[in-house]
Amino acid sequence: EAQVTQNPRYLITVTGKKLTVTCSQNMNHEYMSWYRQDPGLGLRQIYYSMNVEVTDKGDVPEGYKVSRKEKRNFPLILESPSPNQTSLYFCASSSVFGLREKLFFGSGTQLSVL
Amino acid sequence: AQTVTQSQPEMSVQEAETVTLSCTYDTSESDYYLFWYKQPPSRQMILVIRQEAYKQQNATENRFSVNFQKAAKSFSLKISDSQLGDAAMYFCAYITSGTYKYIFGTGTRLKVLA
Repeated sequence: EAQVTQNPRYLITVTGKKLTVTCSQNMNHEYMSWYRQDPGLGLRQIYYSMNVEVTDKGDVPEGYKVSRKEKRNFPLILESPSPNQTSLYFCASSSVFGLREKLFFGSGTQLSVL
Repeated sequence: AQTVTQSQPEMSVQEAETVTLSCTYDTSESDYYLFWYKQPPSRQMILVIRQEAYKQQNATENRFSVNFQKAAKSFSLKISDSQLGDAAMYFCAYITSGTYKYIFGTGTRLKVLA
């Protein structure tokens, strides 16, 4: 089954404790992206990647890191989480041409930073 | 700046009735693609309908249709014969040709009343 797998689904942590949210897709997609969803703000792009070792900043990259060492994986790293990073996070993927068709989303990670 | 505006944070509709969700966007590009995504309580993001900007004909998918007004930069979603399962957050989004960045609106929460 074609899917984007995102883990964990829920995460509660404390300020300053490094964490990683994993994202993996099995569709051989070149494009992968991270979004955060906040009430009243919709989805905002954090980082995106066009292929292995190619990443670029989105609209709200501060406080986040990403890496794309393998085509299927695109982890989101919060090296020193702060309460303002409490949010619902989504990973998404697509083929480059498929961007005009749709994004495939993971099931989301609800992160709470205390 | 590229933006998407959904002016209705919340709407309600009676079951079996019709409801229209509004969306306006701002881009200087002529080639772009518009989308409506549905997010039910499960948090999964589901593509409802898409529209190519170069097509004048409004897209239709079963009970879902759009009213695309390119000159006005308006892209509203009409849901006919509303069902309880239509209750969700709806996001309007677009991507311009040649970029790799989706711009999402702030969302409209739709309640369906039995």
